[in-house]
Amino acid sequence: DIQMTQSPSSLSASVGDRVTITCRASQSISSYLNWYQQKPGKAPKLLIYAASSLQSGVPSRFSGSGSGTDFTLTISSLQPEDFATYYCQQSYSTRGTFGPGTKVDIK
Amino acid sequence: EVQLVESGGGLVQPGGSLRLSCAASGFTFSSYWMHWVRQAPGKGLVWVSRINSDGSSTSYADSVKGRFTISRDNAKNTLYLQMNSLRAEDTAVYYCAREVGATMNAFDYWGQGTLVTVSS
Repeated sequence: DIQMTQSPSSLSASVGDRVTITCRASQSISSYLNWYQQKPGKAPKLLIYAASSLQSGVPSRFSGSGSGTDFTLTISSLQPEDFATYYCQQSYSTRGTFGPGTKVDIK
Repeated sequence: EVQLVESGGGLVQPGGSLRLSCAASGFTFSSYWMHWVRQAPGKGLVWVSRINSDGSSTSYADSVKGRFTISRDNAKNTLYLQMNSLRAEDTAVYYCAREVGATMNAFDYWGQGTLVTVSS
């Protein structure tokens, strides 16, 4: 199985900060990498698919990059509604494994 | 509007069984691969199982293989997860999710989740 890791596991940031989260796959997954946002008590929401494509309706302050094994999610200017947990997921194999998550909270 | 609505969760004793359902609406259900993902209390997302559009192919996480069975009824627009020999570690919120090939297999819609608690 493909293993996914994320760093950091948590971070504290202020409104307006630029935030970067990294995700690494245990083998090459080309661009089959997705990012989800989850708020407490809610279902995950797709933000970025295919490593860098913005899902419809998602604000442009979110962006993704990378290919192969190393990927990043960037929030260019953190907004109050962005405080949440972010998960990467590989969809290269049919077992769509998720990373352990990165919790973004208020500094 | 695309909607996925899970049901069937609840409290069950270890070794017991439960069947979850996911009712789909607002899209052509029979055209999409579907997945189950779970989340233990306070923990991260874990992929559980997937089924292709006509139900002829399935896949499972090692942790549930042989105990869980995913299925679908395209006439009823419903996805199922039959869970047998349940263990305490199966306690989680279970989400159904739709996979979209056009997004390189990302999960673009999720249900609200149904809680399964395995405890004596």
